[in-house]
Amino acid sequence: SQQGEEDPQALSIQEGENATMNCSYKTSINNLQWYRQNSGRGLVHLILIRSNEREKHSGRLRVTLDTSKKSSSLLITASRAADTASYFCATDPVSGNTPLVFGKGTRLSVIA
Amino acid sequence: EPEVTQTPSHQVTQMGQEVILRCVPISNHLYFYWYRQILGQKVEFLVSFYNNEISEKSEIFDDQFSVERPDGSNFTLKIRSTKLEDSAMYFCASSDGEYNEQFFGPGTRLTVL
Repeated sequence: SQQGEEDPQALSIQEGENATMNCSYKTSINNLQWYRQNSGRGLVHLILIRSNEREKHSGRLRVTLDTSKKSSSLLITASRAADTASYFCATDPVSGNTPLVFGKGTRLSVIA
Repeated sequence: EPEVTQTPSHQVTQMGQEVILRCVPISNHLYFYWYRQILGQKVEFLVSFYNNEISEKSEIFDDQFSVERPDGSNFTLKIRSTKLEDSAMYFCASSDGEYNEQFFGPGTRLTVL
């Protein structure tokens, strides 16, 4: 079974709109992290949410975590063309300092 | 803000050649990782390193791969005899161990011809 599956696979919105991406996972986790990747570039760490947290904010980003449903969402408010990228969730299984397990990502296109 | 750096940004090599990919993790971090991403696919874990030894490795990390921390700052991934299927983006990551928050470098794009 796959951890960290994002949906939708692709999302296209107008600048100024909000973008919501979802991540589902199958096993218990220690935390969940969201990353951004511009085409062919590195992974930029956006936010980490621990398993005992339900919501976290960072600037225009809002992340929620529902451990009962094994799901997380990333909301980007007032999107900008510069937010165009792929967004990945990565789960950290409950065992500490272990490899992250990445999903396939959501490709977000923000049209100016 | 401290960041993970990687060199080179792009490496082109012939099949069968050895390559060494270099990483400088964030200075106070203790846990180091290599991941790779084949074009269009998921980011996959290769190996983790802590206290000067491998702590975990995936099935991808076979005898052709090795890692080393030759000094107090560098962390290297060596592929002894590259194959065409090793072509990928290789990412180094590091963590201070608190919450396993991993910060990634910009990657090295390896192209094996």
